[in-house]
Amino acid sequence: LAKTTQPISMDSYEGQEVNITCSHNNIATNDYITWYQQFPSQGPRFIIQGYKTKVTNEVASLFIPADRKSSTLSLPRVSLSDTAVYYCLVVGNTGGFKTIFGAGTRLFVKA
Amino acid sequence: NAGVTQTPKFRILKIGQSMTLQCTQDMNHNYMYWYRQDPGMGLKLIYYSVGAGITDKGEVPNGYNVSRSTTEDFPLRLELAAPSQTSVYFCASSYSMGASMYNSPLHFGNGTRLTVT
Repeated sequence: LAKTTQPISMDSYEGQEVNITCSHNNIATNDYITWYQQFPSQGPRFIIQGYKTKVTNEVASLFIPADRKSSTLSLPRVSLSDTAVYYCLVVGNTGGFKTIFGAGTRLFVKA
Repeated sequence: NAGVTQTPKFRILKIGQSMTLQCTQDMNHNYMYWYRQDPGMGLKLIYYSVGAGITDKGEVPNGYNVSRSTTEDFPLRLELAAPSQTSVYFCASSYSMGASMYNSPLHFGNGTRLTVT
């Protein structure tokens, strides 16, 4: 299983763009990069998933360089409600699709 | 669609008691998972299942058992509750087209908060 490393916590202010980088040096060919968001007392919620280059949806963008050894989740113009824990996962057939979560990044958005 | 439904929402157990946490999904997902989350920590995978009749251990399986008799249901059994099992338990499901192919993101339930005293 590809291990992921991401910052433990980040602070931001409302209206700013937030970029959270995740490293996954031993990502396998068939692995996808997936990001989840978790609010207190709730289960994680899927944000975005990608394989390479750039993926964008209504919530976020995901940037993946050509070597795929890292990825960056970009949250445009964050608000107080974006305060949450963000998890980067590498998911694929390696390990039989065990979906393992790391510690995540705690994002604090201030007014 | 209800998605992933977990019952109960809260439970207090005494040491040594047993209980079953229920999880059902109505999305026809073939993969199902059980995670536990201790306060301030990330999720730890307990068991997972790739289809009816097939289960496998995750990171922290000791003290738990699972079964998967139908596609929809994936109950988690605690036989002899211990204080170390105090946690929030999340069930999740996803769809996979098989090894080396795309695996859909996980859909989570709202969790069961378990306290063992």
